[in-house]
Amino acid sequence: AQSVSQHNHHVILSEAASLELGCNYSYGGTVNLFWYVQYPGQHLQLLLKYFSGDPLVKGIKGFEAEFIKSKFSFNLRKPSVQWSDTAEYFCAVTPANQAGTALIFGKGTTLSVSS
Amino acid sequence: EAGVVQSPRYKIIEKKQPVAFWCNPISGHNTLYWYRQNLGQGPELLIRYENEEAVDDSQLPKDRFSAERLKGVDSTLKIQPAELGDSAVYLCASSPDPGGYSEQFFGPGTRLTVL
Repeated sequence: AQSVSQHNHHVILSEAASLELGCNYSYGGTVNLFWYVQYPGQHLQLLLKYFSGDPLVKGIKGFEAEFIKSKFSFNLRKPSVQWSDTAEYFCAVTPANQAGTALIFGKGTTLSVSS
Repeated sequence: EAGVVQSPRYKIIEKKQPVAFWCNPISGHNTLYWYRQNLGQGPELLIRYENEEAVDDSQLPKDRFSAERLKGVDSTLKIQPAELGDSAVYLCASSPDPGGYSEQFFGPGTRLTVL
């Protein structure tokens, strides 16, 4: 069965610090990969996604993620976080060749950024 | 563009009572998902619709949960009777096509508390 593991449950950073959130998935085939974010009081929204091509993908608000196939990883990065990045971050995966398959989510990482 | 609409936003009921959640997806989105998110976890699929057809309901506890998507637009998820363990956030999401290449757009969710 497919699964997603997010290594950090809660990350606390100061503004301007660099961020890296780990995500590993378990699936033997080709996958589509996503990072979703949920700001306090708001709904889940897409940060970025990877389907194919350049393994370094850029998303909104200065976030990027790198797909490393050999490590089954899709880590999220941001060089300098802001207080407004305080949110919960979810990594998710779907098999690439199964139309419409639901997202398999990790448990999420809570990011707290202090000003 | 209006987003995914869900109601109610919050619901508190006593165990053994019935409850229903409503979702209106983004206009033109044929694929509709219901997810359940338990505290401290990522969302998990309950059921997926392609138009009015439930194409994946393998994770839906059919003894007490039911869902419908009449006319292939809005959808209702029902629990009868509710149990304490059903306390969670119920999320609805929609996608414009089933190919797995499109983003899933999430609604704000319904937070259910069963007492």
